[in-house]
Amino acid sequence: DGGITQSPKYLFRKEGQNVTLSCEQNLNHDAMYWYRQDPGQGLRLIYYSQIVNDFQKGDIAEGYSVSREKKESFPLTVTSAQKNPTAFYLCASSIGSFRMNTEAFFGQGTRLTVV
Amino acid sequence: AQTVTQSQPEMSVQEAETVTLSCTYDTSESDYYLFWYKQPPSRQMILVIRQEAYKQQNATENRFSVNFQKAAKSFSLKISDSQLGDAAMYFCAYNGDDKIIFGKGTRLHILP
Repeated sequence: DGGITQSPKYLFRKEGQNVTLSCEQNLNHDAMYWYRQDPGQGLRLIYYSQIVNDFQKGDIAEGYSVSREKKESFPLTVTSAQKNPTAFYLCASSIGSFRMNTEAFFGQGTRLTVV
Repeated sequence: AQTVTQSQPEMSVQEAETVTLSCTYDTSESDYYLFWYKQPPSRQMILVIRQEAYKQQNATENRFSVNFQKAAKSFSLKISDSQLGDAAMYFCAYNGDDKIIFGKGTRLHILP
């Protein structure tokens, strides 16, 4: 089955530790996105990538880093510089160009709790 | 920069009635796409309906339809014959240029 897989579903980390959230897709999509969801804040864009080996900062990139070494993978690292990392994180992908009528397909999300 | 605004944090509707969720956006682009997504308690994002900006005809998907006013930059979602399964967060989204941005969402409650 084609889709997007995020792992793990729940993640607990101690304050000050870096943590990496996994996102893999087998839809052959060019574009991939990371969003953060907090109550009352909607989905805020952290990073996005339209092509392998290239990515851009979204609205709230501070304290996060990404890589896009393979088309199917877009891992997100939450660093110790992120002041309030506890949140629900969603990964998404789309075909690529908006002219292709491309909606975003989402993973199931990762709930990160930093204690 | 593009922005998406949903001015109704929460709404309630009686089962079988009709409800309209509002969304406005700001862009300087002339060609783009708009979407409504549903997020039930499972938190899985589900595409409800899409609208292409260059099409004047409003999109319809069964009980879901939109009122797209390009000049006003308005994109509202109408849900007819509301059902208990429609209870969820609803997000309006804009896809233009090279990224997809979302509004803050509207939580819809269905009253039995």
